[in-house]
Amino acid sequence: DARVTQTPRHKVTEMGQEVTMRCQPILGHNTVFWYRQTMMQGLELLAYFRNRAPLDDSGMPKDRFSAEMPDATLATLKIQPSEPRDSAVYFCASGLGPKTGDTPEAFFGQGTRLTVV
Amino acid sequence: TQLLEQSPQFLSIQEGENLTVYCNSSSVFSSLQWYRQEPGEGPVLLVTVVTGGEVKKLKRLTFQFGDARKDSSLHITAAQPGDTGLYLCAGAPVRAGNMLTFGGGTRLMVKP
Repeated sequence: DARVTQTPRHKVTEMGQEVTMRCQPILGHNTVFWYRQTMMQGLELLAYFRNRAPLDDSGMPKDRFSAEMPDATLATLKIQPSEPRDSAVYFCASGLGPKTGDTPEAFFGQGTRLTVV
Repeated sequence: TQLLEQSPQFLSIQEGENLTVYCNSSSVFSSLQWYRQEPGEGPVLLVTVVTGGEVKKLKRLTFQFGDARKDSSLHITAAQPGDTGLYLCAGAPVRAGNMLTFGGGTRLMVKP
């Protein structure tokens, strides 16, 4: 059955290392979201793509984070260099946003739990 | 300050009780969504409300969209332990395109 797939599910890394998180959206979905979830801040929108084009990444720290969609089946979120404050669960979600003004329904992956020590 | 404010943040009740959680904003939304998230999983969509004043029912869950499309509520009748989880409202303000933002969530625990 169709689902959003995220890899890895868990990642422990040392401060300063590069981290790459991957997401395979549901086939046919044209909208991809990246969110970060922490107990303190809840779900924060980091980046948002429509038809592979980045529409908004204002929630993302630009100096160390980058998000791309090399093709329609892969979205990546990269952190370089990673810091302990980046520890969180990172979710990718995909949806179908056919018309301006419509809010797409988001289908979430299981998340990547990142721990930076 | 979050665009969508949810209350209460935490709720612990006994099985069989009723409850209501709220999602409020000063912004107008074209629609609002409710999600439930269980530990170790991503949020799962429960319902989308689109029309001001709309009421939708999903078994024991009743969702309402405010007349002015700035707020929504979720009412659970006769709560069960299986209702335990994090309830999140989400929406995109009318002037913000399709940027789906979430409220802080209500963490519900239903004790047997």
